[in-house]
Amino acid sequence: GENVEQHPSTLSVQEGDSAVIKCTYSDSASNYFPWYKQELGKRPQLIIDIRSNVGEKKDQRIAVTLNKTAKHFSLHITETQPEDSAVYFCAAGQGAQKLVFGQGTRLTINP
Amino acid sequence: GAGVSQSPSNKVTEKGKDVELRCDPISGHTALYWYRQSLGQGLEFLIYFQGNSAPDKSGLPSDRFSAERTGGSVSTLTIQRTQQEDSAVYLCASRKTGGSSYEQYFGPGTRLTVT
Repeated sequence: GENVEQHPSTLSVQEGDSAVIKCTYSDSASNYFPWYKQELGKRPQLIIDIRSNVGEKKDQRIAVTLNKTAKHFSLHITETQPEDSAVYFCAAGQGAQKLVFGQGTRLTINP
Repeated sequence: GAGVSQSPSNKVTEKGKDVELRCDPISGHTALYWYRQSLGQGLEFLIYFQGNSAPDKSGLPSDRFSAERTGGSVSTLTIQRTQQEDSAVYLCASRKTGGSSYEQYFGPGTRLTVT
């Protein structure tokens, strides 16, 4: 079955700097790669997603890149702000099927 | 509109007791998923419903776990003879099928503590 590895487990950056979180997946049949943000005590919320027919997607300060050959995808957050502090999860799935999640990255933005 | 709701928000139970967790998906969402999140961990898939049928039950940890969905809406996750290792946050998500989005919308979760 699918296995998703996420790195780093914790990340601390200065406000205004960029943050990058990386994930690898094992199942070449996976074609959907969402990123969720989870604030303390809150539900996970989708921040951006990408499908396997696209190499990069951007939404304001957030971007995701996908390398199907290497089976890895990354989340890039530019001009980080204190409200970006949260736990971020990557996931992989096949369309409408279940999602397999990474272990999460705790991102801290230092003012 | 209303999002995914779950009840109870917190449940404390004694080891060996049975518990029922409820999920109300977004109206019109035919796909429903249950995940489990242990402290400081990622989300672990349990079961997926399409309508009232469950094409993927592969994540249920043991036969103590079962789930059903009626009327293509509300779902109940039942854990029998609870064990301490069942303590976790149980999250439900729903998704609208037939459109172009694969986004799963999560509920707030039920925090289960087995003492």
